[in-house]
Amino acid sequence: DTEVTQTPKHLVMGMTNKKSLKCEQHMGHRAMYWYKQKAKKPPELMFVYSYEKLSINESVPSRFSPECPNSSLLNLHLHALQPEDSALYLCASSQASSLGYEQFFGPGTRLTVL
Amino acid sequence: QKEVEQNSGPLSVPEGAIASLNCTYSDRGSQSFFWYRQYSGKSPELIMSIYSNGDKEDGRFTAQLNKASQYVSLLIRDSQPSDSATYLCAACPGGGNKLTFGTGTQLKVEL
Repeated sequence: DTEVTQTPKHLVMGMTNKKSLKCEQHMGHRAMYWYKQKAKKPPELMFVYSYEKLSINESVPSRFSPECPNSSLLNLHLHALQPEDSALYLCASSQASSLGYEQFFGPGTRLTVL
Repeated sequence: QKEVEQNSGPLSVPEGAIASLNCTYSDRGSQSFFWYRQYSGKSPELIMSIYSNGDKEDGRFTAQLNKASQYVSLLIRDSQPSDSATYLCAACPGGGNKLTFGTGTQLKVEL
């Protein structure tokens, strides 16, 4: 089973709202990722959690706050976003192995900031 | 700047033909290479992984890796209209878990 789930599928929020994106995987993967993708661009890495600890923050603005409650769940808390933050937010997971870090993506959350 | 480069396309091929997608990378420390397919409005889907020089085949897909030339390719045999998508090449340095993506090649398979 190579499934990563994300909720919600779509989210519209105002610049003063607080919302959260959720991601879940049951593949036993110990690395989880948040990416942001704009139209016609590749995914852009935001955060990496490895063994439930934040290992990479790609200088993401503090209005994005990640959280990893356990090895299967990953949240992205959003506060005071800007219209330019509108994008597809992707969660991915991977298992370190001799085959390298195959990352499996969830379906994404389409975020619109008004 | 460690980069992965792809021709953005669009690459147009007739149905039933072989589509050839190419990718070069600059980081010689890269150990793992991946091809993702992304349909418009959808998330990337992993279709091939390759780690050693040579060819790796999976159904209609063949990935080719040449580390000396820092070159990765994806061949799609018997191309179908359903193969029309953007194909993202990604590289991963040895021991790391951070992927570097190319900008993607748009493939159009025409009837």
